[in-house]
Amino acid sequence: NAGVTQTPKFRVLKTGQSMTLLCAQDMNHEYMYWYRQDPGMGLRLIHYSVGEGTTAKGEVPDGYNVSRLKKQNFLLGLESAAPSQTSVYFCASSYYRGNRMNTEAFFGQGTRLTVV
Amino acid sequence: KNQVEQSPQSLIILEGKNCTLQCNYTVSPFSNLRWYKQDTGRGPVSLTIMTFSENTKSNGRYTATLDADTKQSSLHITASQLSDSASYICVVSDVMSSGNTPLVFGKGTRLSVIA
Repeated sequence: NAGVTQTPKFRVLKTGQSMTLLCAQDMNHEYMYWYRQDPGMGLRLIHYSVGEGTTAKGEVPDGYNVSRLKKQNFLLGLESAAPSQTSVYFCASSYYRGNRMNTEAFFGQGTRLTVV
Repeated sequence: KNQVEQSPQSLIILEGKNCTLQCNYTVSPFSNLRWYKQDTGRGPVSLTIMTFSENTKSNGRYTATLDADTKQSSLHITASQLSDSASYICVVSDVMSSGNTPLVFGKGTRLSVIA
């Protein structure tokens, strides 16, 4: 199993450009997440999904859109990139058993995005 | 609002010394708590999980404790090594309920182990 795979690993965008980050997991997990990590801020949740076809806003959703058309994929889109979106983006997935949420999130290797 | 607070923000220790990292949370209802290690440039990786009924759990030189009454957890690292230099993140889960973020992350403690 590859686990959680993010593409691309690095990207430089000009202000106003758009792009999509792809996250793929092969563990049949129900939950998927997109986080951004900035120095001194820790991981902040952008959007998450509890299953195919569903998405929800996290702590910092503005400027981002997501889609979960297939269970294994979670896409993060930036329609008009801004320098404030320069960050490292992490995708993660986790699973759910019974009535207890398992906290073990499996993370991708991250995407370093720079907006100039 | 569900929150996870970690202290200290950063810590520098000499190789071979012990250290303890703290995590306080307000997540309710509580499901479980997990400590992650994040090496520079990598995604976080799980170290240990604590459920409501557990007080202590060890993983090699890492020992996590949990006091569900006071909503506090600690991660103790024994005989530190240079490879322990990383960020340590506390993550708490509530029982999935409408409107709540499923996982609540602390901002992490940046540990530097020096020779």
